[in-house]
This record gives sequence, C-alpha cells and structure tokens, in this order.
Amino acid sequence: EPEVTQTPSHQVTQMGQEVILRCVPISNHLYFYWYRQILGQKVEFLVSFYNNEISEKSEIFDDQFSVERPDGSNFTLKIRSTKLEDSAMYFCASQTNSPLHFGNGTRLTVT
Amino acid sequence: GNSVTQMEGPVTLSEEAFLTINCTYTATGYPSLFWYVQYPGEGLQLLLKATKADDKGSNKGFEATYRKETTSFHLEKGSVQVSDSAVYFCALWNSGSRLTFGEGTQLTVNP
Repeated sequence: EPEVTQTPSHQVTQMGQEVILRCVPISNHLYFYWYRQILGQKVEFLVSFYNNEISEKSEIFDDQFSVERPDGSNFTLKIRSTKLEDSAMYFCASQTNSPLHFGNGTRLTVT
Repeated sequence: GNSVTQMEGPVTLSEEAFLTINCTYTATGYPSLFWYVQYPGEGLQLLLKATKADDKGSNKGFEATYRKETTSFHLEKGSVQVSDSAVYFCALWNSGSRLTFGEGTQLTVNP
C-alpha cells in the first residue's frame, strides 16, 4: 500500500536556525497538509496546500513558516528561524478523498 | 466551527477488559468521523471511519458507530490486548475543511 514518507525522522537544531522538513506524499493525491503535535498535546493543523498554493492556514502558521512543492513529488515545510516552542512532532498528510494518510512524522527538537 | 471532544485520559485497563473511549463532536453539515491510533514512537494511523449517520466503522476488533442524534462516535473494543496500548484520536472532517482532532486518549493495557 502506498504511504506518505517523511524525512528525517528526528531533527535537532539550535534556536534561530532554519529547518526544512521533507515529505513525499502519495503520488496521485492532490491535497497536502502539515500538522504538528507538541509533546503530550493534541494534533494541530498548520496548513493545507492544493494546486500549488496554500488553501488554508492556521494562526500557528505565521511568517516564520512556509511550504513548497518544488518538484511535483516533495512537499516541504520550512521554519525560517526556529524557536524553542517549535519543538514538536510534525506530520505530513495527503489525500484526494477522505481519509487523510499521514506520514510517521519528524520529531523536531530545538535547543 | 468544528470541534471534537474526547474523554479525558489516561485509561488503564487489564488485558481482556472492555474498552470505551467517548468522543462527541460539533460540526456543520454532515462530517465524516474517524479514529486514528498512534502507537509509541510512531505516526498516526487510521483505525476506522464512518462517513454518514448510523454507519459503523470497524477494524482490528474496534468499533464505533456514527450517532447523529447524540453527535457521538464512541470507540469500543470487547477485549483489549497489551498491543492495543497507544494514544487514540477521534477526528472529524468536513469536505473543503481541515481534519479536526480531539485531545487524544492514552490507553495502557496491562497483562
């Protein structure tokens, strides 16, 4: 069964550094998402992406965040200048119809 | 807007006990409802879903029935196993909208 893959599985970075989280969605899916889960808290929506543009974003997704689908297969989340509170598990998801298919996540640790 | 409320955890049971995790929702229209499971150290996996009222989703011995009259989608299993220990998330999706998660319920099953 096709699956969403995310790399790396764990990323450690220093505060103020830029990070790029990578995702390869399922190939025939049209909608792409990033969610995050701060340790012990609920899964929160960050952004959805369709037809090469952001279709919806949450209040969490401020100017420090950006997404890109550079080559028709990868879907990336960039955090320009990381803060301690960005430490979380970041999940990529894709779909054409429901349900969403999630990757295994990237655990981001900001020190 | 859409929201999902799950029973507070954590839940600790003995093997072969009966499990219920309550989930209620608030939504406009006719959402689809899901249960996702997150095993330790892993990502989110779809456990089961129901797309319309009175549908019953089932998988791996788990069941949940979409009850529009009580706006509920409670997760049940007749006899839990140690391997069922995980965090369980109830979620709601309306077409054209984001997937909205509940807070998650940590289940621990002891031998």
